[in-house]
Amino acid sequence: EIVMTQSPATLSVSPGGGATLSCRASHSIRSNLAWYQQKPGQAPRLLIYDASTRATGIPVRFSGSGSGTEFTLIISSLQSEDFAVYFCQQYNNWPRTFGQGTKLEIK
Amino acid sequence: EVQLLESGGGLVQPGGSLRLSCAASGFTFNDYAMAWVRQAPGKGLEWVSGIGGSGGSKFNADSVKGRFTISRDNSKNTLYLQMNSLRAEDTAIYYCARANSPWYDFFFDNWGQGTLVTVSS
Repeated sequence: EIVMTQSPATLSVSPGGGATLSCRASHSIRSNLAWYQQKPGQAPRLLIYDASTRATGIPVRFSGSGSGTEFTLIISSLQSEDFAVYFCQQYNNWPRTFGQGTKLEIK
Repeated sequence: EVQLLESGGGLVQPGGSLRLSCAASGFTFNDYAMAWVRQAPGKGLEWVSGIGGSGGSKFNADSVKGRFTISRDNSKNTLYLQMNSLRAEDTAIYYCARANSPWYDFFFDNWGQGTLVTVSS
């Protein structure tokens, strides 16, 4: 099983600032990585797939990069609606596995 | 508009069974693989099972192998999860998710709102 490790667990950023979230895979997953956003009481929402492709309707302030074992989600010019929990997920192997999440909170 | 509506959750005793359903609309159901993903209270996401668009390819997490069975009825646009021998650690919100592929559950571009399963005596 591929273990996905996200860091940091919690990130405090001021509105208007930028945030860098990291995700590491225990083995190479090529570019088979997705990022999701989840707000309290809501289902996850797809942000990024194939490590760097924005999903339909996702603002350009969300960008993903990386390949192999190291991946990054950058959110620029944070808006109030961006404060949420973010999960990465690999789909290179079964079982599909998620990171434990990074909570992005208002500073 | 894509809609996924889960049902069938509830309170069940350890060792009991439940069948979850996910009614899909707004897209050609058999053109997409589907999956169940769960989230224990206050915890992260855990992929449970995936199934191809035709129903021929199925995959399960080790934690549910031999106990849970994923299936689909493309004539009814419905995804199912039969859960047997339930344990306390199966307590979670169960999400139905659409994969962005007809063959395998790669990543998930649409999610239902989830149904809560509580396993407790």
